[in-house]
Amino acid sequence: DGGITQSPKYLFRKEGQNVTLSCEQNLNHDAMYWYRQDPGQGLRLIYYSQIVNDFQKGDIAEGYSVSREKKESFPLTVTSAQKNPTAFYLCASYRGPGNTIYFGEGSWLTVV
Amino acid sequence: AQTVTQSQPEMSVQEAETVTLSCTYDTSESDYYLFWYKQPPSRQMILVIRQEAYKQQNATENRFSVNFQKAAKSFSLKISDSQLGDAAMYFCAYRSETSGSRLTFGEGTQLTVNP
Repeated sequence: DGGITQSPKYLFRKEGQNVTLSCEQNLNHDAMYWYRQDPGQGLRLIYYSQIVNDFQKGDIAEGYSVSREKKESFPLTVTSAQKNPTAFYLCASYRGPGNTIYFGEGSWLTVV
Repeated sequence: AQTVTQSQPEMSVQEAETVTLSCTYDTSESDYYLFWYKQPPSRQMILVIRQEAYKQQNATENRFSVNFQKAAKSFSLKISDSQLGDAAMYFCAYRSETSGSRLTFGEGTQLTVNP
């Protein structure tokens, strides 16, 4: 079945370490997104990409980096520069106008 | 930049009753989509309903319907015959079709359904 796979589901990171969250889709979607969600709050856009080898900063890009080398993959790296990275991270993808946006099941990141 | 505002952090409704969740947005664009998503405790994002800005007719999906007021930039969700399974966080979202398909969410409304 087609869908979006995020991994890992749960991740623990020590302060000062970078960590990469994986997002893979087999839906042939052009656009992909990364969101951060803190407890009881909405989704804030970190980065998004419309096509391969292109991406734009969202509202809270500082301390994060992404790449889009393949259409299917949009990994998010949480760097040591992100001061408060503990949160729930959601990846989404979208084919284009008139189509449904699909979400992954999310990744929980905890800094210990 | 587009913004989406949900002014009701929490709402409650009695089972079988009707509840309306509010959403307003700010944009200068004419081509966009609006969505309501449901997020249960599992954190899975579930599409409830969507509305194309160019359509005047309000979208309806079974017990869920919207009141889309384009001039007022308002997009409220009405849930009829509320069920216990409707309890969740509800997010209003805006997607531009001209500004790089950017998808923006509101802060959410936590809906409680009382038996």
